[in-house]
Amino acid sequence: SQQGEEDPQALSIQEGENATMNCSYKTSINNLQWYRQNSGRGLVHLILIRSNEREKHSGRLRVTLDTSKKSSSLLITASRAADTASYFCATDVNSGNTPLVFGKGTRLSVIA
Amino acid sequence: GAVVSQHPSRVICKSGTSVKIECRSLDFQATTMFWYRQFPKQSLMLMATSNEGSKATYEQGVEKDKFLINHASLTLSTLTVTSAHPEDSSFYICSAREPSGGSSYNEQFFGPGTRLTVL
Repeated sequence: SQQGEEDPQALSIQEGENATMNCSYKTSINNLQWYRQNSGRGLVHLILIRSNEREKHSGRLRVTLDTSKKSSSLLITASRAADTASYFCATDVNSGNTPLVFGKGTRLSVIA
Repeated sequence: GAVVSQHPSRVICKSGTSVKIECRSLDFQATTMFWYRQFPKQSLMLMATSNEGSKATYEQGVEKDKFLINHASLTLSTLTVTSAHPEDSSFYICSAREPSGGSSYNEQFFGPGTRLTVL
């Protein structure tokens, strides 16, 4: 089953603009992760944010986590055409042998 | 980080045949691996949890007799799609967690996926 929703489902922006994607989940979590997937390809791990963290940066990526609202956001700044992909959040409810549960994803199109 | 491989990367088969997909953890031992399925333009849905030396645990709605999982060693899990039909065409992705204490604790590593097309 899936944890929750991501919005928007699809997002189209111009190169250079910022892209913000949101993720909501339902249960308590140990951490939340964001992945990228190019069409027809495998997953690329972008960033992991733990439940006791509120914000994390990695290059042009900024992730926030609000455990009180059970939501997270991924911001991609100064987007590039190469950022075009689907982005998924995945929640980890336990640090043991439990699987990640994925959101529905956001399809981002960055137009040059 | 740790590496998980899958083989084959792409397979096309006729309806009614069985297809085996392998998932290997290349530089760590994984007592548990996970199998996901992804239909076009959709997210990953967990199919089953593969446990080394014991039976797999299947998610609700996943037929265990159709999707046979064998986790015979600490580095290999196989998914066999039996009597495949066109509706089984999908992208199958496996993953494994590095055991606790490793350099990438908590991270789940994903294989590159297998594209199955059933004609």
